[in-house]
Amino acid sequence: GPKVLQIPSHQIIDMGQMVTLNCDPVSNHLYFYWYKQILGQQMEFLVNFYNGKVMEKSKLFKDQFSVERPDGSYFTLKIQPTALEDSAVYFCASSLARRGVFFGKGTRLTVV
Amino acid sequence: GEKVEQHESTLSVREGDSAVINCTYTDTASSYFPWYKQEAGKSLHFVIDIRSNVDRKQSQRLTVLLDKKAKRFSLHITATQPEDSAIYFCAASNPNTGNYKYVFGAGTRLKVIA
Repeated sequence: GPKVLQIPSHQIIDMGQMVTLNCDPVSNHLYFYWYKQILGQQMEFLVNFYNGKVMEKSKLFKDQFSVERPDGSYFTLKIQPTALEDSAVYFCASSLARRGVFFGKGTRLTVV
Repeated sequence: GEKVEQHESTLSVREGDSAVINCTYTDTASSYFPWYKQEAGKSLHFVIDIRSNVDRKQSQRLTVLLDKKAKRFSLHITATQPEDSAIYFCAASNPNTGNYKYVFGAGTRLKVIA
C-alpha cells in the first residue's frame, strides 16, 4: 500500500546544531503533518501543512522549528538550533483529506 | 483543547479470546475517531475508524463502539491471534476545523498469548 518514508531513521546531533528531518509523503497527498513522541509519552501534534503553508501549529512547535516542501519534494522539519528537549521520535504523516492519514516509521532524534 | 485518554497501557489476552481497548475524549466537537496499530519496527497502520453519525462500526474481527454522551469509544477485537500483538493508538479529530489534526491516546500494548 501507500508508504510514507522518513529519512534517516535515527539521527544524533550536538545541542545547538541544526537538523533537518526528511519525509517523502504519499505521492498524491495534499496534507502533511509532523508529530512528536517523547519516549513513553503520547504522540503529539506539531504542525500541519497544506498548499505550501502551515495551517496549524501547536505550542510544541517552537520558533526554532520550521517546515517546508520545496517544489513537491521532501516535506522537511528543520530545527535550528536544537535543544536537549528536542530529543524524541518525530513522525511524518500525509493524507488526501481527513481520512486515510498515512504515517512514516518515525525518525528518532537524539540531541546530545 | 482536546485530550484523549487511553485507559489500558498494557493488555494481555489468550489467543482466541476478545480484547477491548477503551478511550475517552473531552471535546464534544470531535467527530472522527481512527484507530492505528503499530507493530515493532513498523509505522502506524490504520485499522478502523468511526464517525459520530454512527455508534458502531464493524470490520471483520474489529468493532468500534462510540458513546457520544459519555465521550467514550472502544476497540473490540474478537478471536485474537498472535499477529494482533502490537501497540494500538486511538485518536480524535474535529474535521470541521479543516486541519485534520489528530489528538492521540498514549497507546495500549496488546499481547496475545498463544
